[in-house]
Amino acid sequence: RKEVEQDPGPFNVPEGATVAFNCTYSNSASQSFFWYRQDCRKEPKLLMSVYSSGNEDGRFTAQLNRASQYISLLIRDSKLSDSATYLCVVYNAGNNRKLIWGLGTSLAVNP
Amino acid sequence: EAQVTQNPRYLITVTGKKLTVTCSQNMNHEYMSWYRQDPGLGLRQIYYSMNVEVTDKGDVPEGYKVSRKEKRNFPLILESPSPNQTSLYFCASSLRGQAGWEKLFFGSGTQLSVL
Repeated sequence: RKEVEQDPGPFNVPEGATVAFNCTYSNSASQSFFWYRQDCRKEPKLLMSVYSSGNEDGRFTAQLNRASQYISLLIRDSKLSDSATYLCVVYNAGNNRKLIWGLGTSLAVNP
Repeated sequence: EAQVTQNPRYLITVTGKKLTVTCSQNMNHEYMSWYRQDPGLGLRQIYYSMNVEVTDKGDVPEGYKVSRKEKRNFPLILESPSPNQTSLYFCASSLRGQAGWEKLFFGSGTQLSVL
């Protein structure tokens, strides 16, 4: 089983739709969680850190479910510019203090 | 402007010809890292450095070397490139905080083709 798993998609949604991605992780000792966004062939950029209490940034909401070992990203009122790959990242201090990257979920927002 | 500068952006070379990809950050970050990204395999860490003169292997270090003589620079060296090192490479840096990690800043990437 991979340490971090994501549905690769692609998710094709119309503008204005609400879309949600999940990411599961295998190590229950994982401490920190992040969502990065990557446009095609460009560098990943931090979208959000994911806090235990959940957090929201405009149209984006991230949540953590430790019991079921997954994090989620909800995008409301999708824009064409949201089309990208969304990477789930997990940090475990015990795992040589490395970040573990998911393979990403591809989102295409259509007019 | 805070940034990670990576050069070159594109590089085509031949098998066995030594090359260096440079990476420099202007944010006084302690942590720097190199990744390669391949279709279906995602981002894989090659080497990382926690501070000057401290480097460690990542998940796929074979065929690569790094050095960290100054805080700002972290070059990636391919002594004898092979076609299986054709990939998209990213350098990244971070200021490590109490939570263990702060935001990772990435360079704009180097697309390497080894013929």
